[in-house]
Amino acid sequence: GAVVSQHPSRVICKSGTSVKIECRSLDFQATTMFWYRQFPKQSLMLMATSNEGSKATYEQGVEKDKFLINHASLTLSTLTVTSAHPEDSSFYICSARDRPGSYNEQFFGPGTRLTVL
Amino acid sequence: GIQVEQSPPDLILQEGANSTLRCNFSDSVNNLQWFHQNPWGQLINLFYIPSGTKQNGRLSATTVATERYSLLYISSSQTTDSGVYFCAGTSWGKLQFGAGTQVVVTP
Repeated sequence: GAVVSQHPSRVICKSGTSVKIECRSLDFQATTMFWYRQFPKQSLMLMATSNEGSKATYEQGVEKDKFLINHASLTLSTLTVTSAHPEDSSFYICSARDRPGSYNEQFFGPGTRLTVL
Repeated sequence: GIQVEQSPPDLILQEGANSTLRCNFSDSVNNLQWFHQNPWGQLINLFYIPSGTKQNGRLSATTVATERYSLLYISSSQTTDSGVYFCAGTSWGKLQFGAGTQVVVTP
């Protein structure tokens, strides 16, 4: 299956700082990537859809100025959590489809655990 | 968006037992996937199964799209099967997850 990587796997930062998380498709090109958030003992919630070369599409209730998404190439999308606060602490996971088309299989990265002190 | 219901929410199995996990959808989906989330958080793709039946080792899955449900079968469970199992369906291009089934397999 297709491989998606994330970096870093774990990050601890102070309140008020910004944190960047990278998501890469290693063996395929992805025009679309997805960012999810998962709180402890809960399911995954879609935050935004990242489109290569254009603006991201955010889900209702997700602050686009807080969670900046850049999809600069067909293999890389980044999520920047700006002015992080303790309530932003969570597990962030990205995904991508290895083939074009809205209904094809999605593959997930290993996730990034963010802790804001 | 669609609602995805998974049952049971929790399952405790003795090693070697068989089990069935269920996923119901409130509306038609164009794609259905089953995942296993390991203790480190990694989502492992188990099945991509919009309809029909597939098998992979001790795991198999069946989706009846016309009745909006899917089943995941675990046979001869092992302790390494422990973790959370999620089903997710695509509607309007977005993958919607169920709440998951927490599976614990005891030796």
